[in-house]
Amino acid sequence: SAVISQKPSRDICQRGTSLTIQCQVDSQVTMMFWYRQQPGQSLTLIATANQGSEATYESGFVIDKFPISRPNLTFSTLTVSNMSPEDSSIYLCSVESGYYSTDTQYFGPGTRLTVL
Amino acid sequence: GENVEQHPSTLSVQEGDSAVIKCTYSDSASNYFPWYKQELGKRPQLIIDIRSNVGEKKDQRIAVTLNKTAKHFSLHITETQPEDSAVYFCAASRNTGGFKTIFGAGTRLFVKA
Repeated sequence: SAVISQKPSRDICQRGTSLTIQCQVDSQVTMMFWYRQQPGQSLTLIATANQGSEATYESGFVIDKFPISRPNLTFSTLTVSNMSPEDSSIYLCSVESGYYSTDTQYFGPGTRLTVL
Repeated sequence: GENVEQHPSTLSVQEGDSAVIKCTYSDSASNYFPWYKQELGKRPQLIIDIRSNVGEKKDQRIAVTLNKTAKHFSLHITETQPEDSAVYFCAASRNTGGFKTIFGAGTRLFVKA
């Protein structure tokens, strides 16, 4: 399986500021995703990070709030912009890895964000 | 829209007993069904998966069954141990019309020693 790292692992931020989270994979992967997991909740897909083009956002998430970059097949960033306490959550990077077109998703260790 | 329902939300069993978690999906195009285990403060980890052309799969104490007609799939853990205590998520995934995975709400499993 792919080895996925995220930086930072956690951060405490002030309201109104922005934080960029990095996701690095040790091998080239076709698909990369960004999820949010609020305390005690399930995994909610924010967007699919597309290499060389704009990310595809899920309903309720917009590019102005969560800009995403994916400059190559091993790296992506998610920015949480103009943060409010409601953005406090764990943000997880995920990749699809495998031979088949529908294959397993592996998750990064997550970034625990607290907004004051 | 598509969704995955997961039951129960909480499950408490005695060590050595079996645990069963059930999921129902709505998207008939789903063809891949992974299960993840998430321990407190850690990332979700894949524990077993099943594809739509298979009805059952087993890996040691863990088994998964799939009924495509009824759109049901279940996780079975036998001889539970305290280290099985975690949150378990089912998911339904498809790759037609765009790749999409939908996760269930999760089941918090407590195994009492």
